[in-house]
Amino acid sequence: ETGVTQTPRHLVMGMTNKKSLKCEQHLGHNAMYWYKQSAKKPLELMFVYNFKEQTENNSVPSRFSPECPNSSHLFLHLHTLQPEDSALYLCASSQPGLGYEQYFGPGTRLTVT
Amino acid sequence: AQSVAQPEDQVNVAEGNPLTVKCTYSVSGNPYLFWYVQYPNRGLQFLLKYITGDNLVKGSYGFEAEFNKSQTSFHLKKPSALVSDSALYFCAVRDDNNNDMRFGAGTRLTVKP
Repeated sequence: ETGVTQTPRHLVMGMTNKKSLKCEQHLGHNAMYWYKQSAKKPLELMFVYNFKEQTENNSVPSRFSPECPNSSHLFLHLHTLQPEDSALYLCASSQPGLGYEQYFGPGTRLTVT
Repeated sequence: AQSVAQPEDQVNVAEGNPLTVKCTYSVSGNPYLFWYVQYPNRGLQFLLKYITGDNLVKGSYGFEAEFNKSQTSFHLKKPSALVSDSALYFCAVRDDNNNDMRFGAGTRLTVKP
């Protein structure tokens, strides 16, 4: 798991707060991903970056704002979230291409109060 | 669009017995199939993948999976289960026409001593 790190591991925030999640990968990959994992639901792909360029935005509300300053770092900026946004947020990385598996970080457990 | 189904929410097996976790998929192009495992409070870990070639794929921790094109299945198997195999297992698929990796809802495997 040390290949992809995420901070913080746990976050509690109010609906009016602004916070950021950070992801860093040490695997030399050029694609990075944000997923949302809610109880009893399939993983939801939120954003994809290939070579620092955003290539996917799966109808994610604008209160989630991604940033990818380089191929090793990925952020998810959060503001005015709703209680239903409480979930485990997972970051992953891979080489670009259909046949490459993704490597996941441990996730940030987010609770919106 | 591609999709994947894991028909069993829960699978229970006794230690030492063989285990099977089922996965079926639907794609419009050629499938790229993956299995991941998630332990409590951890991110997903890659187990194995099918891209092309032999239908029987071997992966980490003694797991294997068989690609069956006619039945559009990719079941995960292990000849002899360990208590430490207890975890949440996810099947995922991509195809030629869509770079997104679609995950199943997951199957919770419990191996009892």
